[in-house]
Amino acid sequence: EILMTQSPATLSVSPGETATLSCRASQSVSSHLAWYQQRPGQAPRLLIYGASTRATSTPARFSGSGSGTDFTLTISSLQSEDFAVYYCQQYNNWPPITFGQGTRLEIK
Amino acid sequence: EVQLVESGGGAVQPGRSLRLSCTTSGFTFGDYTLSWVRQVPGKGLEWVGFIRHKAYGGATEYAASVKGRFTMSRDDSKGIAYLQMNSLKTEDTAVYYCTRGVVVTVYDYWGQGTLVTVSS
Repeated sequence: EILMTQSPATLSVSPGETATLSCRASQSVSSHLAWYQQRPGQAPRLLIYGASTRATSTPARFSGSGSGTDFTLTISSLQSEDFAVYYCQQYNNWPPITFGQGTRLEIK
Repeated sequence: EVQLVESGGGAVQPGRSLRLSCTTSGFTFGDYTLSWVRQVPGKGLEWVGFIRHKAYGGATEYAASVKGRFTMSRDDSKGIAYLQMNSLKTEDTAVYYCTRGVVVTVYDYWGQGTLVTVSS
């Protein structure tokens, strides 16, 4: 089973600034990495897949990078609606599909 | 508009059974893998399993934590996926989400979730 580790657990950033979230896999997942956003009381929403491909309706201020074991989600010009929990997910080796434990992005 | 709506959640005692349904619309159900992902309130996401579409014979895969107790099925004529949960444990308490998979395991649409509470 591939273990996904996200850091930091909580990130405090001011609106308008840039947030950088990290995800590390315990072994290579190639580019088979997705990012999801979950706002309070809502279901997760797909943001990025293939490590760097934005999903339909994902704003351009969201960008993903990385391959192998180290991945980054960058959110520039933070808007109020971006403050949420973000999860990474590997889909290279399954079963099982595995998610990171999440990073909570909060307003500074 | 793509929609997935879960139903069937509720409170149940340990050892009992429950069946969840995922009713879909807005897409060709038979062309997609359907997955279930659960989330203990306030915690992270846990993959439960998936059922592939007919081109793959409706094959299923399950997380180790539910294998042998949970069974997924689908009715392509109705656009509904099911999750039969038997021998429920307290640790199965969670919100259960139904998701549509593209590239099998990238989840582009999610239902709103249904809460299952297993408690004596």
